[in-house]
Amino acid sequence: AQSVTQPDIHITVSEGASLELRCNYSYGATPYLFWYVQSPGQGLQLLLKYFSGDTLVQGIKGFEAEFKRSQSSFNLRKPSVHWSDAAEYFCAVGAGTGGSYIPTFGRGTSLIVHP
Amino acid sequence: DAGVIQSPRHEVTEMGQEVTLRCKPISGHDYLFWYRQTMMRGLELLIYFNNNVPIDDSGMPEDRFSAKMPNASFSTLKIQPSEPRDSAVYFCASSLSSSYNEQFFGPGTRLTVL
Repeated sequence: AQSVTQPDIHITVSEGASLELRCNYSYGATPYLFWYVQSPGQGLQLLLKYFSGDTLVQGIKGFEAEFKRSQSSFNLRKPSVHWSDAAEYFCAVGAGTGGSYIPTFGRGTSLIVHP
Repeated sequence: DAGVIQSPRHEVTEMGQEVTLRCKPISGHDYLFWYRQTMMRGLELLIYFNNNVPIDDSGMPEDRFSAKMPNASFSTLKIQPSEPRDSAVYFCASSLSSSYNEQFFGPGTRLTVL
């Protein structure tokens, strides 16, 4: 079965600084990978996803993520954080062919942005 | 499309009362998921349906919880009787089996059991 680890519970950055949120997964085959964002009081919204092809994927709101098979990682990045990026971020891994259809979510990383 | 619709958005009830949460998935989606989110346990998958049929309910915490999907456009999650430890935010999500597991979430129902 697949699993996801987000090692950072909280991350604090200053507005305008760069951001990297870590995500490590465990799955035997090629995974489908996702990053979701949850703003306070709202549901989760998809930021970006990786299925195959180019390992650097672009998402909404200026986010990008890079799939590194050798490190089993799918870290989320943004070059310059805005105060509105303060939210909870969830990494998720979905199995490919032959596995369970259902994606597994990490525990989330809370992003705090200082002015 | 209006997205996934959940009602009510907030529910406050007393211990022992029955609670029913409702969800309308995105039209055409064939998977529906119920999640529970708490500070202690994070986001937990409770149950999911495919083409209105429950596939896996292993995440349902107790027999007090039940879920139904009578048709492709409606699902309910019922707690009877409710307990204070059921207080959480409950999310419904839907997806297309052809879209590689991408899920679309509703805004959630915040349940408080006193």
